[in-house]
Amino acid sequence: GNSVTQMEGPVTLSEEAFLTINCTYTATGYPSLFWYVQYPGEGLQLLLKATKADDKGSNKGFEATYRKETTSFHLEKGSVQVSDSAVYFCALSDNGGGGTSYGKLTFGQGTILTVHP
Amino acid sequence: DAGVIQSPRHEVTEMGQEVTLRCKPISGHDYLFWYRQTMMRGLELLIYFNNNVPIDDSGMPEDRFSAKMPNASFSTLKIQPSEPRDSAVYFCASSFRAGAGYTFGSGTRLTVV
Repeated sequence: GNSVTQMEGPVTLSEEAFLTINCTYTATGYPSLFWYVQYPGEGLQLLLKATKADDKGSNKGFEATYRKETTSFHLEKGSVQVSDSAVYFCALSDNGGGGTSYGKLTFGQGTILTVHP
Repeated sequence: DAGVIQSPRHEVTEMGQEVTLRCKPISGHDYLFWYRQTMMRGLELLIYFNNNVPIDDSGMPEDRFSAKMPNASFSTLKIQPSEPRDSAVYFCASSFRAGAGYTFGSGTRLTVV
């Protein structure tokens, strides 16, 4: 079945540091890949997505590239801010083959990011 | 659009009581999902609907949990009877098509004492 593995957290950085959160996946077919962010006390928000191999999703200074050869979708940001402190979830969506997995997102376990001033 | 709307935001109830959580998806979204989030287990998919029909309820923990979607604009998740281990944040999410990603509601924080 489909699965998503994220880098273990928590991750603690100083402001303006470079961020990488690793994400690898296992899926049949050609999934779409997503990063979601959850701020304290809120629901998950879509941060960025990529729908096919070599696509790069980007938003708010965050980027991730869909690497089919390494089955990865690592999240990066060149200079983090205190306001980026949140939990980040990598996810994939099964886009083919029908069945009960169709349309369903499979989430990683989440990575807690804390950014200090 | 107001987004996915969940109610109540917080619910405190006594063990054994019935609890009903409500969700209004975004208009035009054909998929609706119910998730539970806890520190121990993370995000768990409980059930999801496509065009108001339950597609996969394999994540519903036991018979005490039930979910309905009587029309395209409303869904409920019911727990009867509730137990302290049901304490969690319950999220509803909707999507307009497979592979499009979800829009989540703000969640209902349930505490069973």
